[in-house]
Amino acid sequence: GESVGLHLPTLSVQEGDNSIINCAYSNSASDYFIWYKQESGKGPQFIIDIRSNMDKRQGQRVTVLLNKTVKHLSLQIAATQPGDSAVYFCAENLNAGGTSYGKLTFGQGTILTVHP
Amino acid sequence: KAGVTQTPRYLIKTRGQQVTLSCSPISGHRSVSWYQQTPGQGLQFLFEYFSETQRNKGNFPGRFSGRQFSNSRSEMNVSTLELGDSALYLCASSLQGINEKLFFGSGTQLSVL
Repeated sequence: GESVGLHLPTLSVQEGDNSIINCAYSNSASDYFIWYKQESGKGPQFIIDIRSNMDKRQGQRVTVLLNKTVKHLSLQIAATQPGDSAVYFCAENLNAGGTSYGKLTFGQGTILTVHP
Repeated sequence: KAGVTQTPRYLIKTRGQQVTLSCSPISGHRSVSWYQQTPGQGLQFLFEYFSETQRNKGNFPGRFSGRQFSNSRSEMNVSTLELGDSALYLCASSLQGINEKLFFGSGTQLSVL
């Protein structure tokens, strides 16, 4: 079925380190992927997205890698800061017309803790 | 540009009651989606509206309903509340609602006692 698998792992890093958060997705027909950050008491905040015709995209301090062969998505955060501490979600959208409108399928999330 | 606004921020209801949640999307966004977030199930899609029409619906019972107004503002309603409906309800908006990022509000935290 459509699911993005992420078993709520926890990642703990030191300030200044690079962080890598991984995500496995199950629907090979998905063509749009996105990462969100959610802080306590807030809604998910957009970080970066990537379409299936790309395998890498860079933003400010963040990079998303897409490996369609093994259906794997990763988020790299450079020089991680305490303010990056949050839950990170990957999500996918399947471009299949009516059943896709507004529907992102989310992973379970990864808790990132950055120690000063 | 103002972000997605959800009201109220917190709600406490008892079983059997009904509740209405409100969402104002980002100006110019015509697609509004609703999600339920719980610790056990994560983020789950409820439904999506575009130009006052429901275009997509998730796997939730008929007690969950919604609507969208001509100004793109949306409401969702949950009738005959159950304890399991306790969750954070998130609204998201976007231009077209497909293959693009969704912008989320801060949510309405619903507690059913």
